[in-house]
Amino acid sequence: DADVTQTPRNRITKTGKRIMLECSQTKGHDRMYWYRQDPGLGLRLIYYSFDVKDINKGEISDGYSVSRQAQAKFSLSLESAIPNQTALYFCATSDDRTGGSETQYFGPGTRLLVL
Amino acid sequence: GQNIDQPTEMTATEGAIVQINCTYQTSGFNGLFWYQQHAGEAPTFLSYNVLDGLEEKGRFSSFLSRSKGYSYLLLKELQMKDSASYLCAVRAPATDKLIFGTGTRLQVFP
Repeated sequence: DADVTQTPRNRITKTGKRIMLECSQTKGHDRMYWYRQDPGLGLRLIYYSFDVKDINKGEISDGYSVSRQAQAKFSLSLESAIPNQTALYFCATSDDRTGGSETQYFGPGTRLLVL
Repeated sequence: GQNIDQPTEMTATEGAIVQINCTYQTSGFNGLFWYQQHAGEAPTFLSYNVLDGLEEKGRFSSFLSRSKGYSYLLLKELQMKDSASYLCAVRAPATDKLIFGTGTRLQVFP
């Protein structure tokens, strides 16, 4: 079984709709992240969480909100979807050790299309 | 400001060697990562450098010069399956946030 899972894998929605993307992990990591990826722009950080009580904005948080329901679950919501939120969304996790070669582990991604 | 530069695209021939460069200007530095990403898939970890020098891992090697803000990923004995995007990412101190470059799309031809 995959260590980091995302649901749904693909989603088509209409402008103005509220949608939620979910991420679950079995790695036992405290730190979780949400990124979006757009062609030519690379991966950009939306929100990150270092534990259940800690939520931080990334570089492009406007239009998004998150919820850390448990150590293993981190959800991303688009309150009112707009077409320029069409992108590939990735969840990632990492251990809570600062520094070192510990990397971030990515989920398989959610492809979102907003019409 | 934060800036990470990589070439957008590169091509190479099966069996050859290719070097993908990454230059960075960031407000802090706590390590540099290289990831491989096949189209439509998740990035996967390739290598990590925090001290100057070369780290070798099979067919892949990564080099870092902190004074020059420069890294490269070297891929030897290229295979068709190496066709992918290669992402350079710098880790910020304390927060462990990763700042990604836009990625280099490598195409390997027979």
